[in-house]
Amino acid sequence: GQNIDQPTEMTATEGAIVQINCTYQTSGFNGLFWYQQHAGEAPTFLSYNVLDGLEEKGRFSSFLSRSKGYSYLLLKELQMKDSASYLCAAMDSNYQLIWGAGTKLIIKP
Amino acid sequence: GAVVSQHPSWVICKSGTSVKIECRSLDFQATTMFWYRQFPKQSLMLMATSNEGSKATYEQGVEKDKFLINHASLTLSTLTVTSAHPEDSSFYICSARDLSGNEQYFGPGTRLTVT
Repeated sequence: GQNIDQPTEMTATEGAIVQINCTYQTSGFNGLFWYQQHAGEAPTFLSYNVLDGLEEKGRFSSFLSRSKGYSYLLLKELQMKDSASYLCAAMDSNYQLIWGAGTKLIIKP
Repeated sequence: GAVVSQHPSWVICKSGTSVKIECRSLDFQATTMFWYRQFPKQSLMLMATSNEGSKATYEQGVEKDKFLINHASLTLSTLTVTSAHPEDSSFYICSARDLSGNEQYFGPGTRLTVT
């Protein structure tokens, strides 16, 4: 079957760094997405990885290892506005997104 | 960047009435649109996949006669919740996939409250 696993909740301190892990099992693979979702709002796109390695985009970076079925989202210099849910989604061979349940990130001052 | 709009943003209706939600891709053509439902503090749940000019593909457990989907053009898909009941109250989100097929762009969502 197809499955995405990510932690339910994480807590970090303002100004620090946090890494949110995601493991996936899909029928075929066409990329790994990370989305940010604030309460009551639709998800917004953060990153897309289809090749192994690290993609850096400002304070956010995303890493992919296809052989391990593993990705992480790295958030640096955390700000209070980064408090949100972070959704990991893998695209299968039919170009359908398989969603994780999301990781609720709580930032403390 | 690609923009997807949804209308209305929020709607309150009485039990037994029908509600139509529109999803539009504003600056790109979307051969495929997706409809999701999200209950509070839960992840997105895919309801159906809509392809332009053909019938939608519904996920298991989603009633096709209750959630009518029409994808009449490359920029518009509609979801009609028929005979709405309080348990249908939820956040409904659409997304559209561009022709490259590599990314989904989300609409802002529609909050439906059925009284």
